[in-house]
Amino acid sequence: DTAVSQTPKYLVTQMGNDKSIKCEQNLGHDTMYWYKQDSKKFLKIMFSYNNKELIINETVPNRFSPKSPDKAHLNLHINSLELGDSAVYFCASSWVGGVSYEQYFGPGTRLTVT
Amino acid sequence: SQKIEQNSEALNIQEGKTATLTCNYTNYSPAYLQWYRQDPGRGPVFLLLIRENEKEKRKERLKVTFDTTLKQSLFHITASQPADSATYLCGTTTSGTYKYIFGTGTRLKVLA
Repeated sequence: DTAVSQTPKYLVTQMGNDKSIKCEQNLGHDTMYWYKQDSKKFLKIMFSYNNKELIINETVPNRFSPKSPDKAHLNLHINSLELGDSAVYFCASSWVGGVSYEQYFGPGTRLTVT
Repeated sequence: SQKIEQNSEALNIQEGKTATLTCNYTNYSPAYLQWYRQDPGRGPVFLLLIRENEKEKRKERLKVTFDTTLKQSLFHITASQPADSATYLCGTTTSGTYKYIFGTGTRLKVLA
């Protein structure tokens, strides 16, 4: 059983295009996140939703728009893609009322902008 | 700003030895620290959490310590094996928020 799944796994596109990444979790968690991991492997939080409400919105260009249709899904839409958007994007989920606050990460989406 | 730093970018050790990885935090006192393992092409996987009032936590060959005086957590893998080779990330949330921050990770390579 896949806990946190993301689609697609790889995404190659040209500058200026619009693309979306989808994420689903079947763990019953109440909070979901998007992270960006750059070429130096630094993992940085972008957004977080708790019970479909946006609670964290880091200094991310407004070309990035998350959307949470329900607690189990969190999608990321990116407009007007730029070369610097190339990275691996991870979705994660957690139960903020839990005792370990552990996050469960998806397998990542490698985005390459040419 | 509140920061998490992992000093070693890479660490090579011989099989059977104990690997020790360091995580330092600055400008605040986190209530807990987490350790994750990340293999190439995969998402991080949670390993252990240690709270500020716990000195040490163990899980099989893994041991984590938390020193609030030194503002540091140490992550030990005893009797290391080549299968332990991976990148290990230290992380926590910033004060009063759900915002997770992570260190840059330490890439561990266990040599057979």
